[in-house]
Amino acid sequence: SQKIEQNSEALNIQEGKTATLTCNYTNYSPAYLQWYRQDPGRGPVFLLLIRENEKEKRKERLKVTFDTTLKQSLFHITASQPADSATYLCAPENTGNQFYFGTGTSLTVIP
Amino acid sequence: NAGVTQTPKFRILKIGQSMTLQCTQDMNHNYMYWYRQDPGMGLKLIYYSVGAGITDKGEVPNGYNVSRSTTEDFPLRLELAAPSQTSVYFCASSHRDRSNQPQHFGDGTRLSIL
Repeated sequence: SQKIEQNSEALNIQEGKTATLTCNYTNYSPAYLQWYRQDPGRGPVFLLLIRENEKEKRKERLKVTFDTTLKQSLFHITASQPADSATYLCAPENTGNQFYFGTGTSLTVIP
Repeated sequence: NAGVTQTPKFRILKIGQSMTLQCTQDMNHNYMYWYRQDPGMGLKLIYYSVGAGITDKGEVPNGYNVSRSTTEDFPLRLELAAPSQTSVYFCASSHRDRSNQPQHFGDGTRLSIL
């Protein structure tokens, strides 16, 4: 069955540094992969979508890569700020009738 | 700019009671979804709908029912509440094909079954 793994440990980084979050998936080949941000007590908010034929996608301080050979996506936040502290979810697309989300990585940016 | 609205925000139920979680969206999205999120776990899809009158089971449908009589509304029904259904429930919607369109989420209903 399909499996999605994100950084199992919470990630703490110093303000101004680059945060890198990992999303690994197994047993299927998504054509798209989405990243969401979730703040405590709120629903997830869409950030970026990357297609299998796109190696990299950027939006302001965010960068996502998609390596279909490694079955991995990396999510980078450059020049991180305390306001970037949240849980980040990856969601590789599934062509079946299911839509799978990872368990999320909790990021804390320390001032 | 309402987006996806869920009610109630919080609810405590007794075992065996029933209730309906309400979800409405004002973006004219044809796809709608119900997820549950347990601590430390990812979002699990309960049911989804690709349009009015059409619903289908997701990964964890047991103990739940849905209906989709209009484009805007997608209520989730718990018939006989069980402690295992204690969770945070999220409703989401998206436009057209779900695979390459972002999902828009409500802020959730926090449900405790005691």
